[in-house]
Amino acid sequence: DQQVKQNSPSLSVQEGRISILNCDYTNSMFDYFLWYKKYPAEGPTFLISISSIKDKNEDGRFTVFLNKSAKHLSLHIVPSQPGDSAVYFCAATWRSGGSNYKLTFGKGTLLTVNP
Amino acid sequence: NAGVTQTPKFRVLKTGQSMTLLCAQDMNHEYMYWYRQDPGMGLRLIHYSVGEGTTAKGEVPDGYNVSRLKKQNFLLGLESAAPSQTSVYFCASSSGKGFYGYTFGSGTRLTVV
Repeated sequence: DQQVKQNSPSLSVQEGRISILNCDYTNSMFDYFLWYKKYPAEGPTFLISISSIKDKNEDGRFTVFLNKSAKHLSLHIVPSQPGDSAVYFCAATWRSGGSNYKLTFGKGTLLTVNP
Repeated sequence: NAGVTQTPKFRVLKTGQSMTLLCAQDMNHEYMYWYRQDPGMGLRLIHYSVGEGTTAKGEVPDGYNVSRLKKQNFLLGLESAAPSQTSVYFCASSSGKGFYGYTFGSGTRLTVV
């Protein structure tokens, strides 16, 4: 049972345009969400996160939106740059109760930004 | 500041051989994890540890063993390697406080022939 789903294996956009990566989750206990970026032959690196008490978090060109009722989050990259080409993983966890220390990852979306 | 260091970076094993992957972190993190990444499968948790001397099974633990004798090190062992264990292995660590994300190592690419 996949609790974090990234239904688009790949996405291609033009440089300067907006990239929108989507993620859905099924576990209602999740209250903290993260996006990781991964280049080939490197480990994933943290990009941006959002708590369930918010519906938006912004960091430069990257914005994450959370729709709790739909159990959906999205990552917007504006403007997209060729250096953004990478695999993006959505991840989720829950922090209440202090007994969960694990992130659950989606399968990833390969973003290609064309010059 | 090295963060999370994995050794080796590459390895080719023959079926039935054994090996140990080493993960070391210098951030004094309590929690450590081993993941494998396969095409189309994302990151799947093999084993994890919530502190020195503790280990627990993740999503895909079969065929692997782990040990955390020291807080900074987390070892992943393959006792009898199988071709199905060909994968890229990532170690990660987390403080579990404040920021709830992981810091990942750069990975070990393992091929079992």
